[in-house]
Order: sequence, then structure tokens, then C-alpha cells
Amino acid sequence: NAGVTQTPKFRVLKTGQSMTLLCAQDMNHEYMYWYRQDPGMGLRLIHYSVGEGTTAKGEVPDGYNVSRLKKQNFLLGLESAAPSQTSVYFCASSGQTTNEKLFFGSGTQLSVL
Amino acid sequence: AQSVTQLGSHVSVSEGALVLLRCNYSSSVPPYLFWYVQYPNQGLQLLLKYTSAATLVKGINGFEAEFKKSETSFHLTKPSAHMSDAAEYFCAVSESSGDKLTFGTGTRLAVRP
Repeated sequence: NAGVTQTPKFRVLKTGQSMTLLCAQDMNHEYMYWYRQDPGMGLRLIHYSVGEGTTAKGEVPDGYNVSRLKKQNFLLGLESAAPSQTSVYFCASSGQTTNEKLFFGSGTQLSVL
Repeated sequence: AQSVTQLGSHVSVSEGALVLLRCNYSSSVPPYLFWYVQYPNQGLQLLLKYTSAATLVKGINGFEAEFKKSETSFHLTKPSAHMSDAAEYFCAVSESSGDKLTFGTGTRLAVRP
């Protein structure tokens, strides 16, 4: 039972490059989230989805785009990476609402030079 | 708007001593409250959650938390610390009708031999 899988685990980008982070869950969860974790700032919500084909902005959405074309996948895109986007990115999912337990992936360490 | 404040970014205790990690919340509606734990290089895992059924909530690994509405607090405690408890702990709040989970900035717990 894989749970929530994030790829890649590590990535180094140059300023201005683009990339996509993939999150896949095998629990048939409706809700999926992308967070970024920075020292001293906890986890901040970037974007989230309450079901296939839906997306919504979180606390820090600027510079990111997302898509939920399939229920099991939630993609996070950076169109033009900036050093301020250096962070650890976590994907999470839950069955119905955030009042249920969130299942987290193991994270993606992204460095933008 | 919902928010949480965790007092103390770093807490150090001796093995066998009481663990107390503080969390205060702000919410305009009855909240759901959570504690998550993050071990090094891993995603977050749910320790316990409060959903209004009982004010004293017991979680995994001997942790518990008490919801105090008058103090808007949800502090995490464990009677006797173990070396394996060393990790970062996050308090989080979700409004009962909401679809977003807001995390605090985290408290790193160190356990001294």
C-alpha cells in the first residue's frame, strides 16, 4: 500500500526554468493538497483540490499552477522558477474534508539557483 | 480566519521528563484541532485530533491533548519523554465546515539522555 507518492524527491533548477511535481494517491481520496515547508514558517498551503477537475488557491499560490485531471493525481507546476521557491514541497490527501486525517507524501526538496 | 500559534520553536527535555508543547488557536466557528509529528526526512503523521466529542484527546505514542475553549488552547503533553519522541510537532486547525487545514510554525522537540 503506497499511500501518497511524490516524484521527484530532489530537484535543482536554475532561475527561470520550469518543472512539474507529481503527486499520486491510491486511496481514492477526494481532497488533495500541496504545501510548502520553510524553516520557521511551518507548512503553508499553496493550492488544493476538493475533487477531480477542481482546484482552489491556498495561502501562497503565486508562481504556481496545479491540475487535477485524474482523481488520483495532483500536479504542481512552476512555470518560471525563482530562488524564493526553494523549499520542501509536500503533497497530502484526505478522504472527504480536512476534518479527516491527512496522509502526507515524503516530500520533494527543490532548490532554485 | 483560522490560525494557530505555537509558543516555542524549540523545546528540550530530559528523557523521562514531562513533555508540554503549547498551541493556541483562533477560529470564528467551532474548530477541529490536530497535532501532527514529523520525523527527520519524512512527511507529517497524525498524532491526534479534536472534533468536539471529548475535550481530552488521546493519541498515539502516549501523547494526549486537552481542548480548553476558555483559553483557546490545545496543548500537547506526554508524561514521560522517550528518545524516539525527538521530532518536529505541528498544531493545526480546521473550521468544522471548512476545507483547509492551517498549520502552526512547528515546535522542534529534543530529548536529552
